[in-house]
Formats: sequence, C-alpha cells, structure tokens
Amino acid sequence: DADVTQTPRNRITKTGKRIMLECSQTKGHDRMYWYRQDPGLGLRLIYYSFDVKDINKGEISDGYSVSRQAQAKFSLSLESAIPNQTALYFCATSDRTSGRAGELFFGEGSRLTVL
Amino acid sequence: LAKTTQPISMDSYEGQEVNITCSHNNIATNDYITWYQQFPSQGPRFIIQGYKTKVTNEVASLFIPADRKSSTLSLPRVSLSDTAVYYCLVGAGGFKTIFGAGTRLFVKA
Repeated sequence: DADVTQTPRNRITKTGKRIMLECSQTKGHDRMYWYRQDPGLGLRLIYYSFDVKDINKGEISDGYSVSRQAQAKFSLSLESAIPNQTALYFCATSDRTSGRAGELFFGEGSRLTVL
Repeated sequence: LAKTTQPISMDSYEGQEVNITCSHNNIATNDYITWYQQFPSQGPRFIIQGYKTKVTNEVASLFIPADRKSSTLSLPRVSLSDTAVYYCLVGAGGFKTIFGAGTRLFVKA
C-alpha cells in the first residue's frame, strides 16, 4: 500500500461545484503539502501544514482552502471550481527530523478536470 | 529562495552516461541541492541530495563545485526506464522547495 494516498485519483466536475481532494499518510510525518502541476510545468505549492494547528498559504492559494483533520490527513477544497483549476494535484509529506533536508514524499496525484 | 536553471530537454541512448547540469547562482549558505525524478502521472521521487563536493548513491551521482553555483546530476548507463523529468531544487527543503519546469530526459533504444 502507498505511504501517501490521494482520493479521488481522477475527477471530472462542472464549473461552480465544490470539490474536495483528500490525502492520508502512514509515514508518521508531521508536515503535509498540496501542490498543483499544470502540463509542462513544475509543481506549485498551494498550502502547507506543519502540524494539525498550523496551516500556511503557499504560492497559489487563491481559490483553495485546506483542512488538517489529523496528523495523517490533509484535505484540499475548491469551494467553487473553475476551468483554470483543471490540473494534476499532488499531496506530499516531509519529516522535520529527517536526515535529508526536507525530503518530500509524494502521493500518486489526483487529476481534476473542471468543465 | 534560489532560482535554478536547467535544460528543458535532453536525449540519450541506452547504456550512455547522462549528465544534467543545473545553475543556481543565488544559492544560500544553508541551502541544499536536491534532485527529484518524475514519471508521467506520478509524483516526484527523491533521487539524491548534496551540499558540496560529490555525493553518490545507488542510482546517481551529484557533483557540486566549490562555489556551489551549479551542480551536475550524473546517471550512469541509462535505460529506457530512466525516461522522466528531472528537477533540480535548491533550498532548505520542505515548504521552501521550489520546483522549476525540470529537464525532460528521453532515453532511446
């Protein structure tokens, strides 16, 4: 089983709908992240969380919100989806005590299409 | 946060050594240099990380000159399965990790 699990893996929705992407991890890491990837581009950070009580905006947080329900769970919501939010979304984790500075562990991605 | 510059794409043949160079002129004293590999429709995966000189692991080597303004990822004897996007990142890691567009490596038979 994957250490970082994202659901759903694929989702097609319509403009204006509320969408939630969920991420759960079994790695025991304290830090979790949501990234967005557009075709041919690198990953851009949407939100990150250092622990349950700590949520921080990333580079492109507008139009998104997150919830850290537990150390192992971090959800990304699009309150009113729009077509330019069509992208591949990745959840990632890291451990502040890791010997490798900030190594990120990624889920397999959630492909979202907004029509 | 240090910006990185790397080639957009590279081609190689199976069995060859591939070297991908990344420029990071504004690297800070506390920054590490990290490379990730990404296959289509998968999340990036850590390959190697270094601070200075040379680092080698079971899949790659990372060469970092004394001024640390560039680094070279070396993949020995690539195979078709090494076709992927390779990202060079500079920073302290975690939320400070900025992914550029990466280098698309195509390995041909």
